[in-house]
Amino acid sequence: DTEVTQTPKHLVMGMTNKKSLKCEQHMGHRAMYWYKQKAKKPPELMFVYSYEKLSINESVPSRFSPECPNSSLLNLHLHALQPEDSALYLCASSPAVLGSEKLFFGSGTQLSVL
Amino acid sequence: GDSVTQMEGPVTLSEEAFLTINCTYTATGYPSLFWYVQYPGEGLQLLLKATKADDKGSNKGFEATYRKETTSFHLEKGSVQVSDSAVYFCALSPLAGKSTFGDGTTLTVKP
Repeated sequence: DTEVTQTPKHLVMGMTNKKSLKCEQHMGHRAMYWYKQKAKKPPELMFVYSYEKLSINESVPSRFSPECPNSSLLNLHLHALQPEDSALYLCASSPAVLGSEKLFFGSGTQLSVL
Repeated sequence: GDSVTQMEGPVTLSEEAFLTINCTYTATGYPSLFWYVQYPGEGLQLLLKATKADDKGSNKGFEATYRKETTSFHLEKGSVQVSDSAVYFCALSPLAGKSTFGDGTTLTVKP
């Protein structure tokens, strides 16, 4: 299994809602990532987990809250988002954080904040 | 800090035309270099990689050579197909640290 699976594929939420994005991989990778991608732009790194511990937070607003319950799962909890947070949210994994590793990406969750 | 510069797009070609997408980078040390492709509505997929100078990455007819002297990693394909229409991202990954992506180049291939 060489896939990173993200759910849901699409999400529409109001500014007062709480929702969660989910990501799963079964490749035994120990590094997992959240990226945000606006249309026609490159992915922007948000968070990195290494061995289930948060190792990088790119100064992301607290309305985004990541969680890594185990080595295969990664969640992104969303609360009180703004319309400008509408974007494609991509999860990725790699064998490790250190080392020049390629990234395996999921298909993403297209988020619309109304 | 590290940076990746890609040729500006969009690029529009006829089927069977030759493709070049330029990519240059700035980095300390000896990063690995990657090309990722993103089809509409999907995440990024690794297309090819090279880990050291003079390495050539290749996949599905695409090629790129790691040129340390010119700090470049240009993507080429001899004969493009309509199915190659996508956004292509050049990226680098240092020995320790996060990946840096170029801005992406949109390729449209017309029949």
